[in-house]
Amino acid sequence: AQKVTQAQTEISVVEKEDVTLDCVYETRDTTYYLFWYKQPPSGELVFLIRRNSFDEQNEISGRYSWNFQKSTSSFNFTITASQVVDSAVYFCALYGTSGSRLTFGEGTQLTVNP
Amino acid sequence: DAGVIQSPRHEVTEMGQEVTLRCKPISGHNSLFWYRQTMMRGLELLIYFNNNVPIDDSGMPEDRFSAKMPNASFSTLKIQPSEPRDSAVYFCASRGTSVLEQYFGPGTRLTVT
Repeated sequence: AQKVTQAQTEISVVEKEDVTLDCVYETRDTTYYLFWYKQPPSGELVFLIRRNSFDEQNEISGRYSWNFQKSTSSFNFTITASQVVDSAVYFCALYGTSGSRLTFGEGTQLTVNP
Repeated sequence: DAGVIQSPRHEVTEMGQEVTLRCKPISGHNSLFWYRQTMMRGLELLIYFNNNVPIDDSGMPEDRFSAKMPNASFSTLKIQPSEPRDSAVYFCASRGTSVLEQYFGPGTRLTVT
């Protein structure tokens, strides 16, 4: 069975603060993939990043960075110098190769206040 | 490249009516997924197709829901008869053979009164 836990239901920060969204996962698969999606107030789900279980190298894309640690089964997402436009619900998701489903966490509502 | 296209974007209907949601996946993608999103249950996978064949429909709530994919560029999700508890946002997503990430459409917001 697969499970994704996003313990932070809501986070509120002031613009320019750094913020980290936590994601903890469970899977029995040795090969799996982790994802982050963004759902802004307009409602669409936007793919942000995919990470393979055999590649623990952290990734940075502009103000976004991702920290993948297999030892703690975590795939955390950090936004540096947050902006109002970052306000959205962020979903972490897991795909294990033994199954066919993408398992989503419950999402973290991030609000960035001006 | 056009993304996943869904229609209608909004649908308001009365209980008991038939509702048909439509999806056009990204060209060249061979897997298609239907999800439902509600506040109470989050994102739920209803059904997915691979090469137009339904692979897993265990998430379809009940017999009132049916989905078809007659060809690689079109899928429908039908609810008949609709009930107020079906009110939700329905997303369609597609995925290609060489990638694992799913690309989502804008969703259809369904309200059943």
